[in-house]
Amino acid sequence: KAGVTQTPRYLIKTRGQQVTLSCSPISGHRSVSWYQQTPGQGLQFLFEYFSETQRNKGNFPGRFSGRQFSNSRSEMNVSTLELGDSALYLCASSLTGPGDEKLFFGSGTQLSVL
Amino acid sequence: GENVEQHPSTLSVQEGDSAVIKCTYSDSASNYFPWYKQELGKGPQLIIDIRSNVGEKKDQRIAVTLNKTAKHFSLHITETQPEDSAVYFCAASKAGGTSYGKLTFGQGTILTVHP
Repeated sequence: KAGVTQTPRYLIKTRGQQVTLSCSPISGHRSVSWYQQTPGQGLQFLFEYFSETQRNKGNFPGRFSGRQFSNSRSEMNVSTLELGDSALYLCASSLTGPGDEKLFFGSGTQLSVL
Repeated sequence: GENVEQHPSTLSVQEGDSAVIKCTYSDSASNYFPWYKQELGKGPQLIIDIRSNVGEKKDQRIAVTLNKTAKHFSLHITETQPEDSAVYFCAASKAGGTSYGKLTFGQGTILTVHP
């Protein structure tokens, strides 16, 4: 079974631009979560989607948004990029239901904002 | 909100030795505690997890212990090998509630196993 796939692996953008990152979950997984990883702040939760609905979100500004499609694939968008948005963005998928708390992460998209 | 503290930040051991990484959490409602291993250029990989109704869990050379009273859990790796070298993260969550997809992570431990 294929793992979580994230594209692209690397992105370079300039301040003020916007960016869209893509995530394909493990087949059969309907929940997709996004995390930001930086050396200073570590791994921080952005938001979670299930059945095309955002069920949970972390403490990030409104410039960070996401969506999920009917096939469970997800995208996240960051508008008006700032230098501090440079990070590894990780997507994780999971089954849903009692006892299905395990999150499986992709390899991430490394975003550099210049 | 939940806060997870992880120690040590770096750990260096000789091949064959044991390694122990410790985490404490603040929210007594947390009930699910996974551990992840992250290698360079890769995403975190789930290596073991434990739920609050269990005190200890083992999987070959890896074990996790949980002390709910002290809000403390630990990862134990025995007979370490060079391929165990990586960054290890502990995490906590309130599974079964409305914390969908949200794990609160510790700051990570860089484990180096010297041949």
